[in-house]
Amino acid sequence: GENVEQHPSTLSVQEGDSAVIKCTYSDSASNYFPWYKQELGKGPQLIIDIRSNVGEKKDQRIAVTLNKTAKHFSLHITETQPEDSAVYFCAARKNNNNDMRFGAGTRLTVKP
Amino acid sequence: DTGVSQDPRHKITKRGQNVTFRCDPISEHNRLYWYRQTLGQGPEFLTYFQNEAQLEKSRLLSDRFSAERPKGSFSTLEIQRTEQGDSAMYLCASSNRDRDYGYTFGSGTRLTVV
Repeated sequence: GENVEQHPSTLSVQEGDSAVIKCTYSDSASNYFPWYKQELGKGPQLIIDIRSNVGEKKDQRIAVTLNKTAKHFSLHITETQPEDSAVYFCAARKNNNNDMRFGAGTRLTVKP
Repeated sequence: DTGVSQDPRHKITKRGQNVTFRCDPISEHNRLYWYRQTLGQGPEFLTYFQNEAQLEKSRLLSDRFSAERPKGSFSTLEIQRTEQGDSAMYLCASSNRDRDYGYTFGSGTRLTVV
């Protein structure tokens, strides 16, 4: 089955700096890659996703890149703000397969 | 619509007791998922419904676990004869397969078995 690995497990940046979180997946048939943000006491919230037919997607300060050949994808947050502090999860899923596999998470701390 | 609702938010139970959690998905979503999340880990898939049909179950879902979605709307997850290892956050999510791939998660039910 699919195995998703996520790095780093913790990340601390200064406000205004950029943050990058990387994930690798094992199943080349996976074609949908979402990123979730989870704040304390809340469920994961979808912040951006990418499908395997594109290499990059951007939404304001957030961007995701996908390298299908290397089977890795990354989340980029620019101009970080304290409210970006949370746990971020990557995930991967095959088309029509509802067993979405999540990475172990990255705890991002943005210091003011 | 207020999103995905889960009840209760917290549950403390003694080992051996049965517990039941409820999930109310977004009304127009035809797919509903249950996940389990332990501290420091990502969510792990448990089971999935399309309308009222339970279409997939993870090997994590032992015979002590049962899930239902009787009318294709809300769902319940029951754990019988709870064990300390069942302590976790149980997350429900819903999606509309006809529109997009994204899941909307609820805030979860945190189960503590003592």
